[in-house]
Amino acid sequence: DQQVKQNSPSLSVQEGRISILNCDYTNSMFDYFLWYKKYPAEGPTFLISISSIKDKNEDGRFTVFLNKSAKHLSLHIVPSQPGDSAVYFCAARGGGKLIFGQGTELSVKP
Amino acid sequence: DAGVIQSPRHEVTEMGQEVTLRCKPISGHNSLFWYRQTMMRGLELLIYFNNNVPIDDSGMPEDRFSAKMPNASFSTLKIQPSEPRDSAVYFCASSFSTGLETQYFGPGTRLTVL
Repeated sequence: DQQVKQNSPSLSVQEGRISILNCDYTNSMFDYFLWYKKYPAEGPTFLISISSIKDKNEDGRFTVFLNKSAKHLSLHIVPSQPGDSAVYFCAARGGGKLIFGQGTELSVKP
Repeated sequence: DAGVIQSPRHEVTEMGQEVTLRCKPISGHNSLFWYRQTMMRGLELLIYFNNNVPIDDSGMPEDRFSAKMPNASFSTLKIQPSEPRDSAVYFCASSFSTGLETQYFGPGTRLTVL
């Protein structure tokens, strides 16, 4: 059973537009959420995080939104750039460990 | 400072053979994690260590998998015997602790079992 789900395996966006990546979770005890970005042949790298006591965290072009009642978080990238093309994993912290989703492959077309 | 180092980067082996994956965490980090990436399940945590002690191995698929961390700078993940369904990318990650600190991932080992 997947406690963290990313239901869209892929997303294609035009350069300059907004990219919205979604993530759902089932465990209300998760207290911290992260997004990781992964390029081919490399390990995932940390992108942005949010504590469960907040509903928004922004870092440059990247904003993460958390809706605790819906157990849903999203990552917004504005404006999207071709270099943002990668696989994005959301993760939730629970029981001292991170639980990752399946990943969403974002393709930003020029 | 070097990041997390994993070896080998690629491993091709035949079913039934023993496979050993190696990891050197970032110096000073005291938590180490082994993950497996597959298309269906994404990134799965297999096992993690804190101060060289295994804390949670509930993600280890079965007895064919074992992991050790003999010291703070080295860990191994062993599969014996290997099976084709073990084919995946295996990542090692490290962090200062299992708290809010982010995990830093190695480049991964792509394992193919024929």
